[in-house]
Amino acid sequence: QKEVEQNSGPLSVPEGAIASLNCTYSDRGSQSFFWYRQYSGKSPELIMSIYSNGDKEDGRFTAQLNKASQYVSLLIRDSQPSDSATYLCAVNMRSGGSNYKLTFGKGTLLTVNP
Amino acid sequence: KAGVTQTPRYLIKTRGQQVTLSCSPISGHRSVSWYQQTPGQGLQFLFEYFSETQRNKGNFPGRFSGRQFSNSRSEMNVSTLELGDSALYLCASRLTGPTEAFFGQGTRLTVV
Repeated sequence: QKEVEQNSGPLSVPEGAIASLNCTYSDRGSQSFFWYRQYSGKSPELIMSIYSNGDKEDGRFTAQLNKASQYVSLLIRDSQPSDSATYLCAVNMRSGGSNYKLTFGKGTLLTVNP
Repeated sequence: KAGVTQTPRYLIKTRGQQVTLSCSPISGHRSVSWYQQTPGQGLQFLFEYFSETQRNKGNFPGRFSGRQFSNSRSEMNVSTLELGDSALYLCASRLTGPTEAFFGQGTRLTVV
């Protein structure tokens, strides 16, 4: 079964620190990778997309992809209390022919302490 | 550009009843996926529709069904509701292929 695994939380960091969130996936043919942020009681919000190996930076967020190791990570620099949320890793995995199914990890709860 | 719209936002139903949830995707998006989210299980994939055809299906019983209309709007139906069906039901739309998906606000279903 094709899976997405995230490091089990919760993860707690002090304000201003770097938060590091990790994710591995089982399907080598996966094409695209995403990080979603979900606040308690709300729906997931897309914060980063990454399609090729290497780093992608957007403000305080950096996504890193290593397809050889089947590993994707999210770094949050200068963490703020407002970053406290559950972070979901999502991977588009092949599901037959040209179809792709977006598969989610169980999420990592991040708490940023003031 | 309007986002993904789900209706209703909240529902309370009794065991044994059935329920229909609706999802209107972002304009131009042809793929609609449905997920069930519960505190212990995370996001569980129900099914995906593209151009009115079911393209992917998760591991849920036949009580869970869906459809998509020619305007890409989608509905999911749950028959013979059980207490364990209480969850947040999320709809996500995307263009097609391995692109990013955007979620609606969800429908919170409570079965009593």
